[in-house]
Amino acid sequence: DTGVSQDPRHKITKRGQNVTFRCDPISEHNRLYWYRQTLGQGPEFLTYFQNEAQLEKSRLLSDRFSAERPKGSFSTLEIQRTEQGDSAMYLCASSSAVGEGNEQFFGPGTRLTVL
Amino acid sequence: KQEVTQIPAALSVPEGENLVLNCSFTDSAIYNLQWFRQDPGKGLTSLLLIQSSQREQTSGRLNASLDKSSGRSTLYIAASQPGDSATYLCASSNTDKLIFGTGTRLQVFP
Repeated sequence: DTGVSQDPRHKITKRGQNVTFRCDPISEHNRLYWYRQTLGQGPEFLTYFQNEAQLEKSRLLSDRFSAERPKGSFSTLEIQRTEQGDSAMYLCASSSAVGEGNEQFFGPGTRLTVL
Repeated sequence: KQEVTQIPAALSVPEGENLVLNCSFTDSAIYNLQWFRQDPGKGLTSLLLIQSSQREQTSGRLNASLDKSSGRSTLYIAASQPGDSATYLCASSNTDKLIFGTGTRLQVFP
């Protein structure tokens, strides 16, 4: 396993369209996180899963956003009715059990541009 | 609410210099602190993780220290190289989500 992977790497869409991103974590990791990063800022937490359970959602995650992790493996992040303010880099990270320090490993990100 | 601040925001140095990047956080009840490197348009690469019970971690030319009582961490880069040019981010964790600073943009010129 070479690390966290994300697909697609880039997405350009028109305002009002729906988009879906996929994240495949490191195989033995049970925690999966989604973050959003805008230009010049540090990443901001959106949500995270432990196995298939979604344990926390940020207030940044409006009702247009939904995330799933069926079977506790890969995860998808869907944005409905995209807005120009959704343009950002969407980053996925994974980690193993908290007892190992919960070091998070990030994927390459999906760059979303909403026209 | 945890807030993480990084100083300086940008740094430009000649090759070979030793550097110190600073990170401060407002809530000392952290689980760990993690330093990352980010190249333009790319994801984050984990550099060092310091658990709350530790004082420092070292990897090659990098050394990170943690002082929970003062709410500070530093990343020391020895003998900087042009390939070290990137944005360096620190993030604190309370066992789940990471809270990031805005980063220090480092340029090392030959």
